[in-house]
Amino acid sequence: GQNIDQPTEMTATEGAIVQINCTYQTSGFNGLFWYQQHAGEAPTFLSYNVLDGLEEKGRFSSFLSRSKGYSYLLLKELQMKDSASYLCAAPTDSWGKFQFGAGTQVVVTP
Amino acid sequence: EAQVTQNPRYLITVTGKKLTVTCSQNMNHEYMSWYRQDPGLGLRQIYYSMNVEVTDKGDVPEGYKVSRKEKRNFPLILESPSPNQTSLYFCASSDMEENNEQFFGPGTRLTVL
Repeated sequence: GQNIDQPTEMTATEGAIVQINCTYQTSGFNGLFWYQQHAGEAPTFLSYNVLDGLEEKGRFSSFLSRSKGYSYLLLKELQMKDSASYLCAAPTDSWGKFQFGAGTQVVVTP
Repeated sequence: EAQVTQNPRYLITVTGKKLTVTCSQNMNHEYMSWYRQDPGLGLRQIYYSMNVEVTDKGDVPEGYKVSRKEKRNFPLILESPSPNQTSLYFCASSDMEENNEQFFGPGTRLTVL
């Protein structure tokens, strides 16, 4: 099975850095995903980590520690358009079956 | 344009009236999935399909049916909708290669009275 936990909401100012943590419990591990979802829209893919370490993609980076069951998404140089919900997700006991966290609402203020 | 389409986008119906939400993708993806999204609960998987004629239950399959007769289409069927199925529904597809990204449709907002 799988339980995925992430904070409900985070607030940060424009230009700052925000780190969204995600913890998961799983009987098997097949990678961890991050998606971004703006209000009223569909989720869009940000990153996929299957090995430990940090992967950087422009202003967004994602980190994974499999031994700790922990990941984070780092948003740098925050812009107003980054205000959105960020979803952590992972396959569960079989590939194709996914569980999502409830999402972290990031509010960027001027 | 590569995309996942869903129809209808909005639907208000009554309890017990059978309905189908269609989902179609033009990316030749083998994997397709249905999710529902409710406030505070996030996305919950209803059913998924690894390929044509192969479907499996997600976390919340009760009250739903699916079929995968062709690669591009994955309809969601509610045989007898109930008010607790009022939700925002997303269809997604993936080629399950490289970064295993799922592409989501625009969503269907369903209200069951």
